[in-house]
This record gives sequence, C-alpha cells and structure tokens, in this order.
Amino acid sequence: SQTIHQWPATLVQPVGSPLSLECTVEGTSNPNLYWYRQAAGRGLQLLFYSVGIGQISSEVPQNLSASRPQDRQFILSSKKLLLSDSGFYLCAWSRDPTKSSYNSPLHFGNGTRLTVT
Amino acid sequence: AQTVTQSQPEMSVQEAETVTLSCTYDTSESDYYLFWYKQPPSRQMILVIRQEAYKQQNATENRFSVNFQKAAKSFSLKISDSQLGDAAMYFCAYRINTNAGKSTFGDGTTLTVKP
Repeated sequence: SQTIHQWPATLVQPVGSPLSLECTVEGTSNPNLYWYRQAAGRGLQLLFYSVGIGQISSEVPQNLSASRPQDRQFILSSKKLLLSDSGFYLCAWSRDPTKSSYNSPLHFGNGTRLTVT
Repeated sequence: AQTVTQSQPEMSVQEAETVTLSCTYDTSESDYYLFWYKQPPSRQMILVIRQEAYKQQNATENRFSVNFQKAAKSFSLKISDSQLGDAAMYFCAYRINTNAGKSTFGDGTTLTVKP
C-alpha cells in the first residue's frame, strides 16, 4: 500500500530564518506531487506541483520554492521566512490522471503547522 | 479559471439525522472529477467520496452520497445517520484530467454533530 510521510509536524521559526519541509511517498512510482497551504479555517491553496524529477511548477508568486530531487521526494524551502509564511502546509500525491484512467484522488500527509515569529 | 463555492461556512446536525452540504463549481471543461474530503480536528485530509463527471449515476459510499447535477454544476454531499465522528470540516474539490491534475478546493463547511 502507498503511504506518505511529511515532517516535521510542527515548526516555530523566527523571521528571516530558512525553511525546509520534506515529504516522501512510498509504495508508488512517478506520482504527481503537490504542496498546499491552508490558512486558518479556509480552503487549500496550491503552491507547487511536480509531475516528475526536477519538474516544478509554481502556482503563486511567493517567498517559497520547491524541489523534487528524487521521484518520491518533495521539498518545500525558503531562504528567509516572512511572518506571512505562517500556516498549515500539506503535501499530497496522486497518480497522474493524464496517464491513467483511474480516478486518483489526492492522498495527503499529516501536515506541518508552521509559525513564524 | 475554475472555481469551487461552498456557500455554507457552518452546518450542524443532530446525531442520527441527515444533513446536506452544498457545493457549486464553475468550469468550461466536460471531463472532470469531483471530490469531497473530510478534515477532522486532527487536520488529516481524508477522501470521503468521488464522482466522475461522465457518470450520471450518483456516487455512494456507505452513509455518504452525492447529488451530482452536471447542468447546474452542483455537487452536494448527503450524510445519513450522522455520527459524532462525522464532525469535521468538509471540502469540495474539482479536478480536470489535464494540467497535472491540479485540484481546486472550496473554502470548506464546518459540520457540527450534536448528541
């Protein structure tokens, strides 16, 4: 079976410090990978997605970046955090719907609660 | 751009009763998928039910069912025999089969279940 791991679960960082959130998927190959951010009591905003190693697409201009160094590894980074980067970050994977007729939903990690102080 | 609207920020239901959560979406695509996800207080997002747009039959998963009205672009979720464990935030989501399969989410409906 497939599993997704996301860490850390909670992070408190000062303004201007770097950030690295990591997500790994097991039990599947060549997944589509996604980073979402959720503001308190709100829906999910897509930040980045990746359809393959080294392929990153950004949805919104921001202080963050993403990388996919391995097929099942997705990293969210920042060189200098801003107060506005605080939020709940979710990593997710799905099978590529353009390559499969299987109606693959998103499978989410447990999320990271980031507080920038 | 595709949008998903959940017009009910909060809903409540008595235990064992039925509740319907509303969702509308806007799209020019003909081939797409719709989902309902549940986010309990643990904040773990869990798939509740999915619907393919090309299927006329409404999807059902145990106590959860949808009313999919393609022409009206409406996708409501019905929860029957509500249980305390159903209390959560529910998100409606839309996805097309191109463009990396990106999903667009509504802002969610917080469901309270009263004992």
